Amino acid sequence: GAVVSQHPSWVICKSGTSVKIECRSLDFQATTMFWYRQFPKQSLMLMATSNEGSKATYEQGVEKDKFLINHASLTLSTLTVTSAHPEDSSFYICSARDRAGTSTDTQYFGPGTRLTVL
Amino acid sequence: QQQVKQSPQSLIVQKGGISIINCAYENTAFDYFPWYQQFPGKGPALLIAIRPDVSEKKEGRFTISFNKSAKQFSLHIMDSQPGDSATYFCAASKDTGFQKLVFGTGTRLLVSP
Repeated sequence: GAVVSQHPSWVICKSGTSVKIECRSLDFQATTMFWYRQFPKQSLMLMATSNEGSKATYEQGVEKDKFLINHASLTLSTLTVTSAHPEDSSFYICSARDRAGTSTDTQYFGPGTRLTVL
Repeated sequence: QQQVKQSPQSLIVQKGGISIINCAYENTAFDYFPWYQQFPGKGPALLIAIRPDVSEKKEGRFTISFNKSAKQFSLHIMDSQPGDSATYFCAASKDTGFQKLVFGTGTRLLVSP
């Protein structure tokens, strides 16, 4: 149980285009999802916290107009990188908290999406 | 105060040996300490977690030791195997409501055959 999927697993796009990444909780409902960014050989950097039915909360320094997050249902959150540029190339990872879980802190991570902007 | 410091940055251990990774935190409000294992190109997977009401937790070959007074916790991998070669992240969060995880910087473990 507690499987989180991401789609696509990798994407290559031209500079200036927008890219949408989906994060789905497959076998549980997630009221809260998180989006992280990870550069090579570095730790995970939290970008934003996404709550179902409400606006996402962005971490300091993360441009909310550039990284659009939508959490329209209890099993799906999307991250759209708008007008992507080469510096946006990174590994994007989502995680989800099981709504029914007894632990308030257990996050289940997706497999990540590798974005390369040419 | 939100930082979690992790060491070493990289570690090479012979097969069958013990791998030890250490983390230290400052925020005394943290009360949930998970460890994640990440293979290249994959998302992190929860390995083991501990809360401060116990000083040690063991699951198979993986053990967390927790020292509340020193604000330190460590991961021990017994009988390390080549398949354990991965990057390990410690993390910490508060348990009041749902708080975001603060990650350590990661340790790249290589277990030589």
